[in-house]
Amino acid sequence: SQTIHQWPATLVQPVGSPLSLECTVEGTSNPNLYWYRQAAGRGLQLLFYSVGIGQISSEVPQNLSASRPQDRQFILSSKKLLLSDSGFYLCAWTEPGRINEKLFFGSGTQLSVL
Amino acid sequence: DAKTTQPPSMDCAEGRAANLPCNHSTISGNEYVYWYRQIHSQGPQYIIHGLKNNETNEMASLIITEDRKSSTLILPHATLRDTAVYYCIVRVVSNQFYFGTGTSLTVIP
Repeated sequence: SQTIHQWPATLVQPVGSPLSLECTVEGTSNPNLYWYRQAAGRGLQLLFYSVGIGQISSEVPQNLSASRPQDRQFILSSKKLLLSDSGFYLCAWTEPGRINEKLFFGSGTQLSVL
Repeated sequence: DAKTTQPPSMDCAEGRAANLPCNHSTISGNEYVYWYRQIHSQGPQYIIHGLKNNETNEMASLIITEDRKSSTLILPHATLRDTAVYYCIVRVVSNQFYFGTGTSLTVIP
């Protein structure tokens, strides 16, 4: 069966420090991969999505970037964190090729930038 | 970016049916409607999805209007564990899922 792993679960970082969040999916090939962010008390905002290795689409201009170095690995990064980068970050995936597949989420990373 | 609108909050008595509405008036013909729910500090959980026919599974029922401009998620017998934020989402054909702000459902004992 397919599983998604996201780590770390919580992270406290100072302003100006770098960031790297990692997400991996097991049990499937060529998944569509997504990064979402949820600010406190708010809905989920789509940040990036990827349909294949090296193929990244950005939804909003921001201080973050994403990379997909391997088929089932999706990384969210920042060179210098801002206070506004605080939030709950979620990785998600779907099977490729069909428009009625479910979106499956990881357990999330709570990031606090101080 | 969200193509859906939902009431921000609702209450429901335990044991009664919870009916959560969603408007998606700009939905295109081949875009599916999905429902997810999120309990605090967890990843959203899939509930149900549909295109134009009503759907039912072990968790809920989804009623989509004939013109597809709105839908209702029905939890037939709400329990305290159903207290969560419920998101109605339209999946666009380019594979993106756009979440709105959702409905915070409180089930009252």
